Amino acid sequence: DAGVTQSPTHLIKTRGQQVTLRCSPKSGHDTVSWYQQALGQGPQFIFQYYEEEERQRGNFPDRFSGHQFPNYSSELNVNALLLGDSALYLCASSRGALGGYEQYFGPGTRLTVT
Amino acid sequence: AQTVTQSQPEMSVQEAETVTLSCTYDTSENNYYLFWYKQPPSRQMILVIRQEAYKQQNATENRFSVNFQKAAKSFSLKISDSQLGDTAMYFCAFTTNLYNFNKFYFGSGTKLNVKP
Repeated sequence: DAGVTQSPTHLIKTRGQQVTLRCSPKSGHDTVSWYQQALGQGPQFIFQYYEEEERQRGNFPDRFSGHQFPNYSSELNVNALLLGDSALYLCASSRGALGGYEQYFGPGTRLTVT
Repeated sequence: AQTVTQSQPEMSVQEAETVTLSCTYDTSENNYYLFWYKQPPSRQMILVIRQEAYKQQNATENRFSVNFQKAAKSFSLKISDSQLGDTAMYFCAFTTNLYNFNKFYFGSGTKLNVKP
């Protein structure tokens, strides 16, 4: 049973550039959430996708956008990168609108903005 | 506002001993779920234990147990017979039954070092 996978593992970008991170949910899951985890901090919710729609959003600017595909995989896009966007980006998947109140996390993508 | 507070940035424990990690939270909701996640250096966030707020009985998973005090909004994690593999960041989190959506709120984490 494949768990949540994310790509790439590491990424280095320059300030002002754009980046796309990818996530494939656990088999049987249809809901994907994205989190930003700054160094030494807990994950902060960015947004969640269900049925290819953004259902709710955390306190992140419009530079952060996403997409969910019919196969439930998802992308996180960040435009006009800032140094402060350097973080571990975690994807979590769950099942159904209520998600079973349990999320399975991927290993994350470490983004470094220079 | 929904918040989670972990007041212990770092803790140490000797192998085979018991350690308790603290967590308090704030929510106006009556129905919610509480979690402890473990994040080892590999970065993979792993669910340790889950507690439903409507259940009075404290959850237990092998060496891991919780002390859930709903009135005090406290949710501590006890690790018995600590093992070297328990060394990791531990995050307390909760989610509410709000608009059929399970946004998670995380604390800032406690770094646990298990010493041989």
